[in-house]
Amino acid sequence: AQSVSQHNHHVILSEAASLELGCNYSYGGTVNLFWYVQYPGQHLQLLLKYFSGDPLVKGIKGFEAEFIKSKFSFNLRKPSVQWSDTAEYFCAVYSGAGSYQLTFGKGTKLSVIP
Amino acid sequence: GAGVSQSPSNKVTEKGKDVELRCDPISGHTALYWYRQSLGQGLEFLIYFQGNSAPDKSGLPSDRFSAERTGGSVSTLTIQRTQQEDSAVYLCASSPLTGYNGYTFGSGTRLTVV
Repeated sequence: AQSVSQHNHHVILSEAASLELGCNYSYGGTVNLFWYVQYPGQHLQLLLKYFSGDPLVKGIKGFEAEFIKSKFSFNLRKPSVQWSDTAEYFCAVYSGAGSYQLTFGKGTKLSVIP
Repeated sequence: GAGVSQSPSNKVTEKGKDVELRCDPISGHTALYWYRQSLGQGLEFLIYFQGNSAPDKSGLPSDRFSAERTGGSVSTLTIQRTQQEDSAVYLCASSPLTGYNGYTFGSGTRLTVV
């Protein structure tokens, strides 16, 4: 079965620091990749997604992610974080192989200190 | 509807009582998913409905948990004889067909068993 690993459980940054959250998946075939964000007290919402083409995808609020097929990775980045980016971030993978669902990582909590 | 609607938003129940959680997916979405989100545990898959097909119940943690989806639309998750470890946020999501294009999540039901 495929799996998704998010290596950082909790990341604490000061405002204006750069962010990179790691995501690795186990499936070797074609995948669709997603990052979801959950702001405090709010529902999960889609941040960005990758299907094919340019491996660098841009999402809302200045976030971007890079798909590196050789490393089975889809890391999330932001050059300069803001206090409002404090949230929990989930990486998810869809492979369509044996399952028609998304497989989620355990999430990374980001705390941004003003 | 415009989004995935879940009710109630909060539920406090006594240990041993039964609870029902409701999910109303986006109109036209044939796939519906239930997840459980516990502190530090990420998103735990519970059950998946796809149209009129038999649901994938592989994630239900015990036989105290059951779910149904009537008329291919509204779904109810029932937890019988609730235990304190059932306390969590129960999330519902829907998608047009499969997870290929990601999910739309509801705001969740926070269940507290006292």
